[in-house]
Amino acid sequence: GAGVSQSPSNKVTEKGKDVELRCDPISGHTALYWYRQSLGQGLEFLIYFQGNSAPDKSGLPSDRFSAERTGGSVSTLTIQRTQQEDSAVYLCASSSPARSADEQYFGPGTRLTVT
Amino acid sequence: QKEVEQDPGPLSVPEGAIVSLNCTYSNSAFQYFMWYRQYSRKGPELLMYTYSSGNKEDGRFTAQVDKSSKYISLFIRDSQPSDSATYLCAMSVDAGGTSYGKLTFGQGTILTVHP
Repeated sequence: GAGVSQSPSNKVTEKGKDVELRCDPISGHTALYWYRQSLGQGLEFLIYFQGNSAPDKSGLPSDRFSAERTGGSVSTLTIQRTQQEDSAVYLCASSSPARSADEQYFGPGTRLTVT
Repeated sequence: QKEVEQDPGPLSVPEGAIVSLNCTYSNSAFQYFMWYRQYSRKGPELLMYTYSSGNKEDGRFTAQVDKSSKYISLFIRDSQPSDSATYLCAMSVDAGGTSYGKLTFGQGTILTVHP
């Protein structure tokens, strides 16, 4: 079946602009996670959605970052007033309620470059 | 100091070699342990998952956990060129007998298996 999809695959933006990154989880997966992968920092947790519960935003690095999940499915990660240090690969993952939450299926990521 | 330490390598071995990948951690609350494999320009995929000390085997892969030493390992037997990838260890804390899936990753070890 279809895996986790993310769009765009690549995004180049100028410093100070806002960007939106989209994630389509696997159908039926109730949990959705955003991570950031950058050189020197590895893969870092950003935010977690589980069903209709309030999201766990503890990994968001600043208030310029926000995310929402509409209808329990598609999620959008928004970065306002982008900075060069925001350049990274942003990965989305989802997990099934029938399996461990640690068994996560990742999308291919969005490679963000801030110039 | 990072909660999870992993030697980034790179590690280069000949085909057929036994590969040993390792992570150490400092947070004793970590109770669930995973190894993810990531090919270039792809998202990570789960290889091994365990939650108890000892060994778990799956084909050519063996995951080892030593909670007393806060040390985990992944062994790959009869390594193949197709095993060339980045290997990420990941961990999560126990939340009442389960995990929320908020993963903490190591830096990742880049492995190349040459024919």
